Amino acid sequence: DADVTQTPRNRITKTGKRIMLECSQTKGHDRMYWYRQDPGLGLRLIYYSFDVKDINKGEISDGYSVSRQAQAKFSLSLESAIPNQTALYFCATSDRGVGRQFFGPGTRLTVL
Amino acid sequence: KNEVEQSPQNLTAQEGEFITINCSYSVGISALHWLQQHPGGGIVSLFMLSSGKKKHGRLIATINIQEKHSSLHITASHPRDSAVYICAVSSDQFYFGTGTSLTVIP
Repeated sequence: DADVTQTPRNRITKTGKRIMLECSQTKGHDRMYWYRQDPGLGLRLIYYSFDVKDINKGEISDGYSVSRQAQAKFSLSLESAIPNQTALYFCATSDRGVGRQFFGPGTRLTVL
Repeated sequence: KNEVEQSPQNLTAQEGEFITINCSYSVGISALHWLQQHPGGGIVSLFMLSSGKKKHGRLIATINIQEKHSSLHITASHPRDSAVYICAVSSDQFYFGTGTSLTVIP
């Protein structure tokens, strides 16, 4: 079984809809991250969490919110989706500090 | 401003060739990471290094802390090496390069 899972894997939605992307991990890591990937721009950090009670904004947090329901679960929400949020979204975990990251398989989101 | 720069952006090689991908960074780091992203989209970590050199099979990663530069080498390249290779650095957080798209032709 995969150590980091994301659901859904693909999602098509309409402008204005609320969307939640979910991430679960079985690695026992404290630190979890949400990134988006756009062609030519590389991975950009949306939010990160060092533990259940510690959530921090990344460089592109506007339009997104997160919830760390448990050590193993970190959800990303788009409150009112817009077309420029169409991207590939990755969840990742790391065990401490800024050590090696483990990525989920990604969620391809299309906002029409 | 880009904290991490990679070159080249795209690379095509014949099977068997020796390949080098370069990465330069502008921030102080605790470690440098090389990641591989296959066409299906999944990302895996190949190396994490803070000094010297690491080798795993046909892949070699080196880092020069003073020059803020790292290279990823692939010896005896194979079509299955075709992927996007991403350089990332970790300091207060992670910073990622835009990736090098490698195609190895049989």
